[in-house]
Amino acid sequence: TQLLEQSPQFLSIQEGENLTVYCNSSSVFSSLQWYRQEPGEGPVLLVTVVTGGEVKKLKRLTFQFGDARKDSSLHITAAQPGDTGLYLCAGDPQTGANNLFFGTGTRLTVIP
Amino acid sequence: NAGVTQTPKFQVLKTGQSMTLQCAQDMNHNSMYWYRQDPGMGLRLIYYSASEGTTDKGEVPNGYNVSRLNKREFSLRLESAAPSQTSVYFCASSDGGWKAYEQYFGPGTRLTVT
Repeated sequence: TQLLEQSPQFLSIQEGENLTVYCNSSSVFSSLQWYRQEPGEGPVLLVTVVTGGEVKKLKRLTFQFGDARKDSSLHITAAQPGDTGLYLCAGDPQTGANNLFFGTGTRLTVIP
Repeated sequence: NAGVTQTPKFQVLKTGQSMTLQCAQDMNHNSMYWYRQDPGMGLRLIYYSASEGTTDKGEVPNGYNVSRLNKREFSLRLESAAPSQTSVYFCASSDGGWKAYEQYFGPGTRLTVT
């Protein structure tokens, strides 16, 4: 059972386009994170959101945590080839467990 | 500052063989984790160690054992490898407690069991 569903699974766009990827769940999370993973490497933390409705910006990337803390979105403005990678969301459920649950990821390809 | 290191980077085993994957971190983190990553399944937690001297099962612990050797090192052992254990294995660490969600990952070990 996947706690976190990500969509789309695959996305291929031209350089300069905008895009949004989604991370949804029926569970409530204390916090939610986004990671980016490049081929042959481990995931790298991009951002953590903890408050319902919170919006964080990281250069051209905008992250939003849903008001009910069950979902999140990542918006990229003017995508660059360097944005290519696997984007993973991960949630810290309100169970007291000391671990994260990861979504299956969105594989983004930005074509020059 | 190396962060999280893993050895080996690649390994091929025959069914029934055993091996230990090594992980070390130099960030003085309290918590360490072992995940496996399979296509279409995302990252799944195998075992974790919230602090030195403790270990707990994650989502998919069957067929694995772990040892938290000291604060820096956390190893994963496959006693009798099976083809279903073909995967990419990642070790991660975090400061623990309320910062458990800020995890730092190693580069991974690609394991093939034939």
